[in-house]
Amino acid sequence: AQSVTQLDSQVPVFEEAPVELRCNYSSSVSVYLFWYVQYPNQGLQLLLKYLSGSTLVESINGFEAEFNKSQTSFHLRKPSVHISDTAEYFCAVIPRDTGRRALTFGSGTRLQVQP
Amino acid sequence: NAGVTQTPKFQVLKTGQSMTLQCAQDMNHNSMYWYRQDPGMGLRLIYYSASEGTTDKGEVPNGYNVSRLNKREFSLRLESAAPSQTSVYFCASSSGHVEQYFGPGTRLTVT
Repeated sequence: AQSVTQLDSQVPVFEEAPVELRCNYSSSVSVYLFWYVQYPNQGLQLLLKYLSGSTLVESINGFEAEFNKSQTSFHLRKPSVHISDTAEYFCAVIPRDTGRRALTFGSGTRLQVQP
Repeated sequence: NAGVTQTPKFQVLKTGQSMTLQCAQDMNHNSMYWYRQDPGMGLRLIYYSASEGTTDKGEVPNGYNVSRLNKREFSLRLESAAPSQTSVYFCASSSGHVEQYFGPGTRLTVT
């Protein structure tokens, strides 16, 4: 079984400041890792994913996440946030080698960007 | 290309009533999922269908039933709604290449 921990339920930050949203996971098997974003009253959108290769992955809107196998972490970072980044962010994992490809989610981190 | 669609968007039920949440995808995906989202708990898997004709229980299946009507459609039924089932319900689909695509959600309130 897998579990995902997002330590911060809310992260307030000023516009143009850097931000890091933390994600740690626990699993007895290898996993794929994801960050999803949910804007107010909308569904979830994939922000970025780690499947293999370089441990640093980037999104088109300036977010990046680094897979750290030894620390079982996949923290999300952005060097300069915008008001439009205000949303809830979910870290999630899927086991690599089983047929049941269902996501296990963390509890979410609400990013509040203030002017 | 609509992606994943869900109906209805909002629903209010009284305790004991039944209803079916509908989900359809037009991406020719094999796998479909139902999740529920509750404050502070992220999303939890209710049921999963790897392919047409197959379904499997997830983390929180009690009180729900599902039907994979065909490759496109995957419905979730509440036979006797309870206040504990007040939640936002999301349907998702996947081609099997791990990435899942989510619908806009159904906000259900049970009084």
